[in-house]
Amino acid sequence: DTAVSQTPKYLVTQMGNDKSIKCEQNLGHDTMYWYKQDSKKFLKIMFSYNNKELIINETVPNRFSPKSPDKAHLNLHINSLELGDSAVYFCASSQGKAGQEFFGPGTRLTVL
Amino acid sequence: GENVEQHPSTLSVQEGDSAVIKCTYSDSASNYFPWYKQELGKRPQLIIDIRSNVGEKKDQRIAVTLNKTAKHFSLHITETQPEDSAVYFCAASIGNQFYFGTGTSLTVIP
Repeated sequence: DTAVSQTPKYLVTQMGNDKSIKCEQNLGHDTMYWYKQDSKKFLKIMFSYNNKELIINETVPNRFSPKSPDKAHLNLHINSLELGDSAVYFCASSQGKAGQEFFGPGTRLTVL
Repeated sequence: GENVEQHPSTLSVQEGDSAVIKCTYSDSASNYFPWYKQELGKRPQLIIDIRSNVGEKKDQRIAVTLNKTAKHFSLHITETQPEDSAVYFCAASIGNQFYFGTGTSLTVIP
């Protein structure tokens, strides 16, 4: 009964490939997020999405795209992977305004 | 947009001493301020939060204070223990948008 889950936990791939990370939340939350955490541990927001609005951090390359098949899922697609994309990616969710945010376990992406 | 600054970036304390981490924010519309603890290789987890209509909140050895006028908030950990060693993130929230500080790596020396 994990609240926010992500798959895969680890992802190792070659430069230039396209990959996806899946995220699911069973909390009934209305907003989901993707964060990138680099080697310096900075947590950078990439996207936030609810059924009404997608907010994109302007610094995120358009090779990254979120896809939400339904309210409980927000998947992250990455095209033409680059070395600098190597990081841990966290999915998160929250409910309403000023609601507590819950994080998934993270996906460690390594681009070779 | 909101800008959250967090200090210090690293902090070492002796076991039993107190630790204080400070954050400032820029947007007076921010109304929710959570603190997260991230242990090595794990996800950030909420440890305490405070809303803008409250000045202080305490939960056992952890307390958070908020000064809305000065736009700063602080995390206080008393009687630190080795298991408190982790990276701590502050955040400020406007609506459903969260803005994180750059993290503080806390080491508690036994």
